[in-house]
Amino acid sequence: RKEVEQDPGPFNVPEGATVAFNCTYSNSASQSFFWYRQDCRKEPKLLMSVYSSGNEDGRFTAQLNRASQYISLLIRDSKLSDSATYLCVVNRAAGNKLTFGGGTRVLVKP
Amino acid sequence: GAVVSQHPSWVICKSGTSVKIECRSLDFQATTMFWYRQFPKQSLMLMATSNEGSKATYEQGVEKDKFLINHASLTLSTLTVTSAHPEDSSFYICSATRDPEAFFGQGTRLTVV
Repeated sequence: RKEVEQDPGPFNVPEGATVAFNCTYSNSASQSFFWYRQDCRKEPKLLMSVYSSGNEDGRFTAQLNRASQYISLLIRDSKLSDSATYLCVVNRAAGNKLTFGGGTRVLVKP
Repeated sequence: GAVVSQHPSWVICKSGTSVKIECRSLDFQATTMFWYRQFPKQSLMLMATSNEGSKATYEQGVEKDKFLINHASLTLSTLTVTSAHPEDSSFYICSATRDPEAFFGQGTRLTVV
């Protein structure tokens, strides 16, 4: 079993719609959780950190469920520019060594 | 602006030659940097952890004699792909953490012909 798993998609989303997807992680000692965005042939960039209480940044909402060991990302009012691969990233207990999920591809269409 | 700078952004080399990729942290010191490899339509896979002033730590299955890592200063780590072969063609990305965020270099697309 992979340490961090994601549905690869693609999620085809009409512009203006809402899309949500999850990521599961296997290491219960994981301490930090992030969503990164990666555009084609570019480096990943931090979208948002994920906290136990849940957090929102504009149209993006992230949730962490430690009991079930998953995190989620919800995108409201999708824009064409939201088309990208969203990487679930987990920080192991020590050493700032990040583990990446395989990514979820989102395609927003007019 | 960029927090981590990686160079070159792309390189084409002949099979059997070596290629050096540089990763620099800008405006902050990084005692640890990470090197990743990403094949098409796949996620980033950690290759090794670069430690300033000491040997790098390699992930299982990564040949340390083929992927030489040097972290001679607090702002520079280099990855040298030695005796490159076509199967080494990939997207190589470095990262450094400035708490709490990890920043990535722009990546180097290596093509071995």
